Amino acid sequence: GDSVTQMEGPVTLSEEAFLTINCTYTATGYPSLFWYVQYPGEGLQLLLKATKADDKGSNKGFEATYRKETTSFHLEKGSVQVSDSAVYFCALTSGTGANNLFFGTGTRLTVIP
Amino acid sequence: GAGVSQTPSNKVTEKGKYVELRCDPISGHTALYWYRQSLGQGPEFLIYFQGTGAADDSGLPNDRFFAVRPEGSVSTLKIQRTERGDSAVYLCASSQNYLHYNEQFFGPGTRLTVL
Repeated sequence: GDSVTQMEGPVTLSEEAFLTINCTYTATGYPSLFWYVQYPGEGLQLLLKATKADDKGSNKGFEATYRKETTSFHLEKGSVQVSDSAVYFCALTSGTGANNLFFGTGTRLTVIP
Repeated sequence: GAGVSQTPSNKVTEKGKYVELRCDPISGHTALYWYRQSLGQGPEFLIYFQGTGAADDSGLPNDRFFAVRPEGSVSTLKIQRTERGDSAVYLCASSQNYLHYNEQFFGPGTRLTVL
C-alpha cells in the first residue's frame, strides 16, 4: 500500500544552520507529495507541494524536489530561524483516485538562538 | 475568510458513551476529510466525503464509527460505545474539490479523551 517514511526526530539546530528532513515514499500510482507543518498551538497547514516528478515545491525558504528515481521528497532550508520550530509532516495522495493524505510520523524541529 | 472550524475543541467522556464531533468546512469546499491523530503520530485517514456522499470510508476502524454530511457542508463524526483506545485528536479538513493534488485545509481538531 501507499506509505511515507520520514526521518525520526527530534531535530535540534542552531539558528542559521542548514536543515534537511528526509522523506521517502511508496506508492502504486503517480502520487502528489506534500509537506505540512504544525506550529506550536496551531493546526496543520500546507508548507509546499509537488505534483509530478522533478517538480520543486518552495515556500518560506523551504524547498523539496519530487525525485521519482529515488522515491524521495526531502525538505531543505538553507538557514533556519527560531520561528521555524514546529513539527513537519511529509505526506502523499496516491493519485489513483483516492484523495486522502497518507502522512509520515512527523519530525519535531527545534531551532535555538 | 473563515477557515475550517471544529467543535468542541475538547471532549472528555466515559468509556461506553456516545460522542459527536462537528466540522464546518470552508464555504464552497465540496470535499471533506476526517483524520485521527494519536500522540506522536501523523494523522490517519478515516473517511472522505465528496458532496453529501461518503466517497471512501475505508479508514473507519470499525462499525462504532460513522460520519454524515447531509447537506454537503457541515459534517458530524459519530462514535458509539467509546473505548479508551479512541482517545486522540480528530482532525477535519476540506478542499475545493476532489482532485488529489489540491491542498487540504485543516481545522484545529477536537481532542477526545475517553476515561
